[in-house]
Amino acid sequence: DQQVKQNSPSLSVQEGRISILNCDYTNSMFDYFLWYKKYPAEGPTFLISISSIKDKNEDGRFTVFLNKSAKHLSLHIVPSQPGDSAVYFCAASAWGANSKLTFGKGITLSVRP
Amino acid sequence: DAGVIQSPRHEVTEMGQEVTLRCKPISGHNSLFWYRQTMMRGLELLIYFNNNVPIDDSGMPEDRFSAKMPNASFSTLKIQPSEPRDSAVYFCASSIRTSGGLETQYFGPGTRLLVL
Repeated sequence: DQQVKQNSPSLSVQEGRISILNCDYTNSMFDYFLWYKKYPAEGPTFLISISSIKDKNEDGRFTVFLNKSAKHLSLHIVPSQPGDSAVYFCAASAWGANSKLTFGKGITLSVRP
Repeated sequence: DAGVIQSPRHEVTEMGQEVTLRCKPISGHNSLFWYRQTMMRGLELLIYFNNNVPIDDSGMPEDRFSAKMPNASFSTLKIQPSEPRDSAVYFCASSIRTSGGLETQYFGPGTRLLVL
């Protein structure tokens, strides 16, 4: 049973436009959410996070939005750049779950020049 | 700053052989995680340690897999005997809990294992 779902396996956008990557979760105990970016032959790298007390967190070109009632979060990248082409993983954890992260299966983003 | 270090980066072995993967977490981090990534199952948590003590090994697939953390700066994941279905990329990650209780895991580059 997948508790973190990234239903779209891939996304292609034009350079300069907005990329919107979506993630849904089923466990209402999750209270901390993270996005990781992964290039081929490298480990996932932390990108941005949000705790459940917020509904938005922004860091440069990256913004994460959290809708707790819908159990949905999204990552917005604007403007998108070719270097953003990678696999993006959504992850979640629950307070008291001893640091355990549950990952989605990832979305492959391709940014076309 | 050095990140999480894993060795070897690539390992090719024959079925039945013992495989040992190594990890050095980021200095000062007190939690360490082993993950396996496959096309079919994505990123799966195998086991994690807190302050060198195994906390949750429910993701370890079977008795052929074992992990140790003898000190704060070193951990191993061992597969004995290895099987072709163990072929995957194995990641190690480490983290430290902030005062707010939130943790961010930092990943190593991974070990790509191929069992023939």
